[in-house]
Amino acid sequence: DTEVTQTPKHLVMGMTNKKSLKCEQHMGHRAMYWYKQKAKKPPELMFVYSYEKLSINESVPSRFSPECPNSSLLNLHLHALQPEDSALYLCASSQDLNSGTSYVDTQYFGPGTRLTVL
Amino acid sequence: AQSVAQPEDQVNVAEGNPLTVKCTYSVSGNPYLFWYVQYPNRGLQFLLKYITGDNLVKGSYGFEAEFNKSQTSFHLKKPSALVSDSALYFCAAYNFNKFYFGSGTKLNVKP
Repeated sequence: DTEVTQTPKHLVMGMTNKKSLKCEQHMGHRAMYWYKQKAKKPPELMFVYSYEKLSINESVPSRFSPECPNSSLLNLHLHALQPEDSALYLCASSQDLNSGTSYVDTQYFGPGTRLTVL
Repeated sequence: AQSVAQPEDQVNVAEGNPLTVKCTYSVSGNPYLFWYVQYPNRGLQFLLKYITGDNLVKGSYGFEAEFNKSQTSFHLKKPSALVSDSALYFCAAYNFNKFYFGSGTKLNVKP
């Protein structure tokens, strides 16, 4: 099973709402990622978790709050977002984070959540 | 600054013809190189990767990529394009726990 699932598929929210995005994988991967992708642009890394600990935060505004409750789940809590935060939010996972000398893990991506902020 | 360049926003090719999608990188050290494909409203799907060894890497769906260290390039190729190959293709370089994505190339395969 090489599937990463994300819910919901679509989300529309107002600027005062609080919502959460959910990501799940059952491949035993220990690294999980959140990306933001604008239309026709490459994904931009937001957060990386390794062994359920936040490893990388790419200077993301605090209105985005990640959470990794266990090794299979990754959440992204949203609060007081702006219209410019509207995008496709992608979750990915890989076996591990460290590349080592000759081994690097392929990232497997979920289908994404299309977020619209009104 | 580390970067990956995909010089063509769009590539048009007729079905049955060979296709090439170009990628060059400027990433320090010996980065690992990837190609991903993205269909509309979908996440990225892994196609292939180069870590070390043979410069020609074979991947999913008949795609292959050629690594050229002197030119710092990693072009994606397929001998015979299919209409179903039409999608957005991303090249990526990985080094020091970070992926650097190119801007993407839209591949249009016409019947």
